[in-house]
Amino acid sequence: SQQGEEDPQALSIQEGENATMNCSYKTSINNLQWYRQNSGRGLVHLILIRSNEREKHSGRLRVTLDTSKKSSSLLITASRAADTASYFCATDKAAGNKLTFGGGTRVLVKP
Amino acid sequence: DVKVTQSSRYLVKRTGEKVFLECVQDMDHENMFWYRQDPGLGLRLIYFSYDVKMKEKGDIPEGYSVSREKKERFSLILESASTNQTSMYLCASSSWTGYYNEQFFGPGTRLTVL
Repeated sequence: SQQGEEDPQALSIQEGENATMNCSYKTSINNLQWYRQNSGRGLVHLILIRSNEREKHSGRLRVTLDTSKKSSSLLITASRAADTASYFCATDKAAGNKLTFGGGTRVLVKP
Repeated sequence: DVKVTQSSRYLVKRTGEKVFLECVQDMDHENMFWYRQDPGLGLRLIYFSYDVKMKEKGDIPEGYSVSREKKERFSLILESASTNQTSMYLCASSSWTGYYNEQFFGPGTRLTVL
C-alpha cells in the first residue's frame, strides 16, 4: 500500500481560481515533498516541508503539514493554464531511507 | 542546473530480450533511483543506490537488476523483458545531508515490450 494518498484524484477549475489537494500518510515522517508532472514528462520538485514545520510558501504555492493528523495540503493560488499537471506528494519515513510517492492528483485548469 | 538524462525517450523491445536503461546525472549526487510509473498506481520504487557499487531493493525489484559502477551513472537492467514490464521508467537523483532531499528526475523512458 502507498504511504501517501492524494485526494482528490482529479480536479478541474477555472483559471484564476485556487486549487487545493490533500495528502494523507500512515507512518511518522522526516519530511514531505510535493512534485508536479506535466503530461508524459519527469517530475519536478515543488516544495519540501520538514516534520517540525507547519506551513511553507513558495510563490503561489502554500503547503501545510499536520503531523497529528498525518496529512498535508497543497494550495495553488490564482491558478493558470500552465498549472495543468499531476501533483504528487512523497514522504520520507522516519524509520526508513527512501521516498514513497502517492498516486497523484490530476489538475486541469481551464482558460 | 541539475540535469538527469536518460538514454532513450521511447523504446520498443520483444519479450525475452535483455534491456538496458541508462541514467546519468551531472550534480555529483550520492543517491540515484529507478521508478516505474503506471496509470492508477503512481510511482513505485524499483531499486535505489546510495553509493557506487551499492544498491538496495525498492518495492518492486522482481525482474530487474541494477548497476552503479560510476557515481554519475545508474543502469536498470531487465534480464528477460516481459509484457508486464511495459511502463514509463523514471530515473532520479538526490543529495544526502542526513535527510533525503529533493529528487531530480529525468524525462522518462516509455518502454513497450511486445
